[in-house]
Amino acid sequence: GAVVSQHPSWVICKSGTSVKIECRSLDFQATTMFWYRQFPKQSLMLMATSNEGSKATYEQGVEKDKFLINHASLTLSTLTVTSAHPEDSSFYICSARVGTGGLEQYFGPGTRLTVT
Amino acid sequence: AQKVTQAQTENSVVEKEDVTLDCVYETRDTTYYLFWYKQPPSGELVFLIRRNSFDEQNEISGRYSWNFQKSTSSFNFTITASQVVDSAVYFCALRPLIQGAQKLVFGQGTRLTINP
Repeated sequence: GAVVSQHPSWVICKSGTSVKIECRSLDFQATTMFWYRQFPKQSLMLMATSNEGSKATYEQGVEKDKFLINHASLTLSTLTVTSAHPEDSSFYICSARVGTGGLEQYFGPGTRLTVT
Repeated sequence: AQKVTQAQTENSVVEKEDVTLDCVYETRDTTYYLFWYKQPPSGELVFLIRRNSFDEQNEISGRYSWNFQKSTSSFNFTITASQVVDSAVYFCALRPLIQGAQKLVFGQGTRLTINP
């Protein structure tokens, strides 16, 4: 089956620093990638949708200048949390889909970010 | 707008008992997909099933079964003869079938605990 990887799996950073999270589709080309955030004991909340080669579409309430998303290739998308604060501590999950209308959406294992 | 409601935030049963997880959805779209995902403690989402709104036939896969009732907008999930390894958070999700629709809308999740 299709595999999506994320790196790092967990990261601890100091308040004010930036953190980059990578999401890779290992055995397929992902035209569309999604970034979710999940707080403890809560559901997944979609942050943004990105199509390869174009700007990401952010959900309402998500600061695009704080959460920078780059989808430069068909197998790699990155999420950079800029000037991280403790309230940004969360579980970040990426997901990839083949084509804009692809049925299957494959999820990465997630990245746990802790900002101290 | 789409909405998925999982009224049970938590559920707990003793091993070998059957358990049903409820999912009710709202959508104005006539065609859509419904999904169930499992999120074990490791955090990675595991795809369980996708169901097309045209297909109301119930499905069984091993100890898992799904009951899709379009008339009541419900897509319930039953685990028979539960096992400790079934302990996880289970998410129901909805996605419209229309061209270009990309968002996967998740319910709040049900935390299932199977006690030995």
